Amino acid sequence: DQQVKQNSPSLSVQEGRISILNCDYTNSMFDYFLWYKKYPAEGPTFLISISSIKDKNEDGRFTVFLNKSAKHLSLHIVPSQPGDSAVYFCAASNTGNQFYFGTGTSLTVIP
Amino acid sequence: KAGVTQTPRYLIKTRGQQVTLSCSPISGHRSVSWYQQTPGQGLQFLFEYFSETQRNKGNFPGRFSGRQFSNSRSEMNVSTLELGDSALYLCASTLVGPETQYFGPGTRLLVL
Repeated sequence: DQQVKQNSPSLSVQEGRISILNCDYTNSMFDYFLWYKKYPAEGPTFLISISSIKDKNEDGRFTVFLNKSAKHLSLHIVPSQPGDSAVYFCAASNTGNQFYFGTGTSLTVIP
Repeated sequence: KAGVTQTPRYLIKTRGQQVTLSCSPISGHRSVSWYQQTPGQGLQFLFEYFSETQRNKGNFPGRFSGRQFSNSRSEMNVSTLELGDSALYLCASTLVGPETQYFGPGTRLLVL
């Protein structure tokens, strides 16, 4: 049973435009959310996080939005750059030690 | 500072065999987690070890087991391999909190 879902397997965006990656979850007990970025042949690397007491967290070009009532979070990348092309995973936790990951969205930024 | 290392990087086994994967965490990290990544399921949590004790366990059959040694190195064992066990197995070590979780490059297992 997939508790964290990323319904878009892939996304293509022009360089300089906004990339919006979406993630939905089913467990209302999740209180911490993270986004990871993964390049081929490498492990995922932490990108940005948000706790359930916030609805927005920003770090440079990356912003994560959390809508608890809709059980939805999104990652905005502005402006998108070719180096952002990677697979993005969202993850959620209610204990801080066990994380539930989505299936990933492959982002391609076209120069 | 050295990152998380996993050995071997690639492995081919046949059905019914067993396999052991190894993970060396970042120095000072006492928590080690294991994940299975498949195209259809994404990353699925297997288990987490902290100070040689299994602290959390995902929803995998008993064929999947692990252990952690006093130096925090961890091994994962899969017995009686099935075709569906073909996947990328990722190990992650954590210092404090999820932002300090670092993944290794993974071991790609192919079961024939």
